[in-house]
Amino acid sequence: DQQVKQNSPSLSVQEGRISILNCDYTNSMFDYFLWYKKYPAEGPTFLISISSIKDKNEDGRFTVFLNKSAKHLSLHIVPSQPGDSAVYFCAASVLKKFYFGTGTSLTVIP
Amino acid sequence: DGGITQSPKYLFRKEGQNVTLSCEQNLNHDAMYWYRQDPGQGLRLIYYSQIVNDFQKGDIAEGYSVSREKKESFPLTVTSAQKNPTAFYLCASSMPGQLNNSPLHFGNGTRLTVT
Repeated sequence: DQQVKQNSPSLSVQEGRISILNCDYTNSMFDYFLWYKKYPAEGPTFLISISSIKDKNEDGRFTVFLNKSAKHLSLHIVPSQPGDSAVYFCAASVLKKFYFGTGTSLTVIP
Repeated sequence: DGGITQSPKYLFRKEGQNVTLSCEQNLNHDAMYWYRQDPGQGLRLIYYSQIVNDFQKGDIAEGYSVSREKKESFPLTVTSAQKNPTAFYLCASSMPGQLNNSPLHFGNGTRLTVT
């Protein structure tokens, strides 16, 4: 049973605009949430994370929002750049086990 | 340069043969993990280890085995009992320590093809 879900397999955005990637989870015990970026045939690269005691964390162009009541996580990238084109995975952790979504392929169009 | 090294990058085996995937880290991380990625699916946890000489099954451990004799190394053996072994395998580590929240750091993966 998929505890972390990314319902949009793909997303296309114009360069300079905002990219919003979404993630839903089912386990209310998750206490740590993360976003990873992945290129083909490479390992995922950590982007940004948020603890369950916060609702927002920002790092440069990347902001993660957490809505615990809705069990929803989102990643905002602004402004989007062509180099942001990749697959993005959200992940959630409880008791040091990490669960991943199925990924969203982001394409930033120049 | 600290990091996680997985070798080889590509591996080919005949059905019925066991194969061992290597994972070494020099980050001094306590915890290590093995994940598998299949097309259209997320990363699924095979095994993980929080300390040396101890490891736990993940969600899809059947047909796999691991060992953790050294802090730096966490090899994964794909046995002939694994029904669908062809996949992209990812090793990761983290330093939970006294920090409850610490991200996973991944290697670059091994693509295993079994025919």
